[in-house]
Amino acid sequence: GDSVTQMEGPVTLSEEAFLTINCTYTATGYPSLFWYVQYPGEGLQLLLKATKADDKGSNKGFEATYRKETTSFHLEKGSVQVSDSAVYFCALLKINDYKLSFGAGTTVTVRA
Amino acid sequence: DAGVIQSPRHEVTEMGQEVTLRCKPISGHDYLFWYRQTMMRGLELLIYFNNNVPIDDSGMPEDRFSAKMPNASFSTLKIQPSEPRDSAVYFCASSPLLSGGTEAFFGQGTRLTVV
Repeated sequence: GDSVTQMEGPVTLSEEAFLTINCTYTATGYPSLFWYVQYPGEGLQLLLKATKADDKGSNKGFEATYRKETTSFHLEKGSVQVSDSAVYFCALLKINDYKLSFGAGTTVTVRA
Repeated sequence: DAGVIQSPRHEVTEMGQEVTLRCKPISGHDYLFWYRQTMMRGLELLIYFNNNVPIDDSGMPEDRFSAKMPNASFSTLKIQPSEPRDSAVYFCASSPLLSGGTEAFFGQGTRLTVV
């Protein structure tokens, strides 16, 4: 079935460091891909998305490019801040299924 | 809009008791989802509704769990009887139309502790 695999955490970084969280997917057809972020004590919020191959989603300094050839959607940020400390989830949506499939989540902690 | 509203935010109950979690989706959204989040299993989709009709409940763990959506503005997730292994954060999410790049909007969750 369709699934998403994220790199395992936790990830601990210093402020202004470069962040990469790997995400690969398995799906038939052409799913839409998402990154959601969960701050402590809160629900998930959409961070960025891409709906077709080679699309780049971006928001708040984060970027991810939909790579069909490698079935990947890696999340990157060039310079993280303490406020980026959160759990990040990669997710996949197949149109016909109307169900979001989430990865396991990656906990990121940024130290001042 | 106030977003997806869940209640209560926290619930502590004794094993064997009935627990009811509530959700008010964003007005106008056709889809409603219930998720469970645990450290061991991550985010699991339990059930989702389209226009108040349950479409897929294959994620509901067992018969102790039931969900209803009596109207477009309200849904409940009930556990009866509750067990300690049901302890988790339960999220409700809604979406206007889950296709293409449409996102799902999540509530803040209900943290359930069964002792």
